[in-house]
Amino acid sequence: DARVTQTPRDKVTEMGQEVTMRCQPILGHNTVFWYRQTMMQGLELLAYFRNRAPLDDSGMPKDRFSAEMPDATLATLKIQPSEPRDSAVYFCASGLLGDTQYFGPGTRLTVL
Amino acid sequence: EDQVTQSPEALRLQEGESSSLNCSYTVSGLRGLFWYRQDPGKGPEFLFTLYSAGEEKEKERLKATLTKKESFLHITAPKPEDSATYLCAVQEETSGSRLTFGEGTQLTVNP
Repeated sequence: DARVTQTPRDKVTEMGQEVTMRCQPILGHNTVFWYRQTMMQGLELLAYFRNRAPLDDSGMPKDRFSAEMPDATLATLKIQPSEPRDSAVYFCASGLLGDTQYFGPGTRLTVL
Repeated sequence: EDQVTQSPEALRLQEGESSSLNCSYTVSGLRGLFWYRQDPGKGPEFLFTLYSAGEEKEKERLKATLTKKESFLHITAPKPEDSATYLCAVQEETSGSRLTFGEGTQLTVNP
């Protein structure tokens, strides 16, 4: 049963520290998305890639966030330096040609 | 700017009591409307995609319908295991693969 996997599932860190979240998309999917979910803002798209190339990162704070796909089986989202307002659940999703998106279990980030 | 509004915010039903959730949207051109289910502590789980007004899709006790301005998720004879947050999202023709999500409807089905 193919699934998107994310690590870590939970991360607690202190303000100013670097945070890296990882995602393994479903094998064969060529589009990978990063979302952030908070109680206040709901589910928001941060960025997405197709065939490992960034297509849209307009939802991502550029000064501290970066997203990459080193290869087709790994996507990373990095925050440096982290701030308390970054506390949220970060979801990775993958799809084929960007139609239906299948979500991973999420990384719950707490920045103290 | 795309807008998606879901109502009600929360809905409490008795087991077997059928009801509907609403998703109203404003987009310049709809490519697709998506319904997801989200359980606490988990990622959204895909349910349906609707592409054009008049289209309907069913899965077990759920049926999704689409008009030019809104979508309904009908729940027939719900069970406690249907309790979850139901999210609606739209994909606009000129926005690539971007999904714009509503705030969700939190459904509780009591036994």
